[in-house]
Amino acid sequence: AQSVTQLDSQVPVFEEAPVELRCNYSSSVSVYLFWYVQYPNQGLQLLLKYLSGSTLVKGINGFEAEFNKSQTSFHLRKPSVHISDTAEYFCAVTPPGGGNKLTFGTGTQLKVEL
Amino acid sequence: DTGVSQNPRHKITKRGQNVTFRCDPISEHNRLYWYRQTLGQGPEFLTYFQNEAQLEKSRLLSDRFSAERPKGSFSTLEIQRTEQGDSAMYLCASSPSSLAVDTQYFGPGTRLTVL
Repeated sequence: AQSVTQLDSQVPVFEEAPVELRCNYSSSVSVYLFWYVQYPNQGLQLLLKYLSGSTLVKGINGFEAEFNKSQTSFHLRKPSVHISDTAEYFCAVTPPGGGNKLTFGTGTQLKVEL
Repeated sequence: DTGVSQNPRHKITKRGQNVTFRCDPISEHNRLYWYRQTLGQGPEFLTYFQNEAQLEKSRLLSDRFSAERPKGSFSTLEIQRTEQGDSAMYLCASSPSSLAVDTQYFGPGTRLTVL
């Protein structure tokens, strides 16, 4: 079984500041990793995913994440946030051959302030 | 590509009533997933279909829950004899193929409130 931990339930940050949202996972097998964003009253939208290859993954809206196997982490970063980045962010994993069903963390609410 | 749609968007019901939700996936997407999201939690997997076949059900899905995808297109999720603990956002997602891993596209969800 897999589990995902997002330790920060809320992250306040000023506009144009950098931000890092933390994600750690636990699994007895290798996994694929994802970050989704959920804007109010909208469905989850994929930001980026790590399947294999380069451990630094670039996604939409200027976000990137780095897979660290030894630390079992997949932290999400953005060098300069915008007000429009205010949303809830979910980290998720799925094992290869597992039907692609996702196991999500509890989410991190990013609040960008002026 | 109009995205994944879910109806209704909101449902308020009394304990003990039956409710049914509908999900229309993106056209020609083979896989369809149902998740449940409660307040302060991430989505939890309930079940998924490949075409019309239901391939897996979570232990979260009690006998009161049933899902169908009769023609491999839209899907319904029915909850019988609703309980207050069923109050949650029910999310549907679809993906285009049965590849080992593929992006899931989520609908806006149906928010269920059981009084």
